[in-house]
Amino acid sequence: AQTVTQSQPEMSVQEAETVTLSCTYDTSESDYYLFWYKQPPSRQMILVIRQEAYKQQNATENRFSVNFQKAAKSFSLKISDSQLGDAAMYFCALTGANSKLTFGKGITLSVRP
Amino acid sequence: KAGVTQTPRYLIKTRGQQVTLSCSPISGHRSVSWYQQTPGQGLQFLFEYFSETQRNKGNFPGRFSGRQFSNSRSEMNVSTLELGDSALYLCASTQNLLAGVYEQYFGPGTRLTVT
Repeated sequence: AQTVTQSQPEMSVQEAETVTLSCTYDTSESDYYLFWYKQPPSRQMILVIRQEAYKQQNATENRFSVNFQKAAKSFSLKISDSQLGDAAMYFCALTGANSKLTFGKGITLSVRP
Repeated sequence: KAGVTQTPRYLIKTRGQQVTLSCSPISGHRSVSWYQQTPGQGLQFLFEYFSETQRNKGNFPGRFSGRQFSNSRSEMNVSTLELGDSALYLCASTQNLLAGVYEQYFGPGTRLTVT
């Protein structure tokens, strides 16, 4: 069975600052992929970033980057230069041999102007 | 390309009724997955269809069923609705990037309220 844990239910960041969202996971599969999804108040789930477990290099997409620690089964998301539009619920997710996603409970990020 | 579309966006039903939700994936995507999102349980996988066949299934009762058509459009059906079925139902269109590498793109969801 796969599990994804996001222990922080809420976080807040000042506009233009950097924030890190934490995620830990567990899986028995050797090949797996990790994702961060963003769900703004409009409810459309958006893929933010993907990390292949076999890659040592951390994924980066513009202001979004991850810190993937495979041995610790940790997968955190760093948002740099936070913007008001970054306010949303963020979900960490894991998939293995099939395309079924296992999600964490999510974290609500608020951005203070 | 057009994104994932789901219809209807909002639905109110009464206990005991049945409901059908529809999802059209991104053009060229052959796999569709369904998820249920509730405040208490979070996001839970319902099932996945690929080429008109159910490929994966989550831990939901048999009241939840689905199907996929030859044009990849998918429908999800819930029979004998219960209050606990009130949720946001999300459909995801899956792109197979490489062997075993998938990315899922979500639709806006259907908000089902059971009274």
